[in-house]
Amino acid sequence: EAGVTQFPSHSVIEKGQTVTLRCDPISGHDNLYWYRRVMGKEIKFLLHFVKESKQDESGMPNNRFLAERTGGTYSTLKVQPAELEDSGVYFCASSQSSGRGYEQYFGPGTRLTVT
Amino acid sequence: AQRVTQPEKLLSVFKGAPVELKCNYSYSGSPELFWYVQYSRQRLQLLLRHISRESIKGFTADLNKGETSFHLKKPFAQEEDSAMYYCALRDTGFQKLVFGTGTRLLVSP
Repeated sequence: EAGVTQFPSHSVIEKGQTVTLRCDPISGHDNLYWYRRVMGKEIKFLLHFVKESKQDESGMPNNRFLAERTGGTYSTLKVQPAELEDSGVYFCASSQSSGRGYEQYFGPGTRLTVT
Repeated sequence: AQRVTQPEKLLSVFKGAPVELKCNYSYSGSPELFWYVQYSRQRLQLLLRHISRESIKGFTADLNKGETSFHLKKPFAQEEDSAMYYCALRDTGFQKLVFGTGTRLLVSP
């Protein structure tokens, strides 16, 4: 069974440009999470989807970030316009359920560099 | 507010030596604690969780609510244990994971 996949693996863009990251969760996983690790800091939660609905978006840093999960399958995270401080590794994770004891499976991450 | 603290950025030991990676947390409710590991060029993966009370790859971790700690231990480190280790807490209200900054474990021959 394929794990969580993310595309692209790396992205280098200039400040002010737009970038869209994609995450494909494990098939059948209703819960999808986005996290990011900014250089030298901890991995921080961005938001949580249950199917196509945003369950928790308390970690989204500002309105330059837009996440969607149309149809409840794959998700996209768009950054527009990108700023230097957006550089980091963006992780996606999925889980079968959000209840206690259910593991979140992580994708390989997308390394975003804003120059 | 929930917070996870891993005081060591780097822990360097020799093969066969005991290892303890420290993790302290602050959380007002009943926490669910995890250790995740990221080996070189691999994705982040779950190592163990406190509710399972299991030993994985020789690692154990005990939740100490009095000291609000969840330290990861292994009696005899192996070179293949070299990796980045993250302690994490699950927010039972919102299900998100709260991570520490991670500790890089380097096991030398």
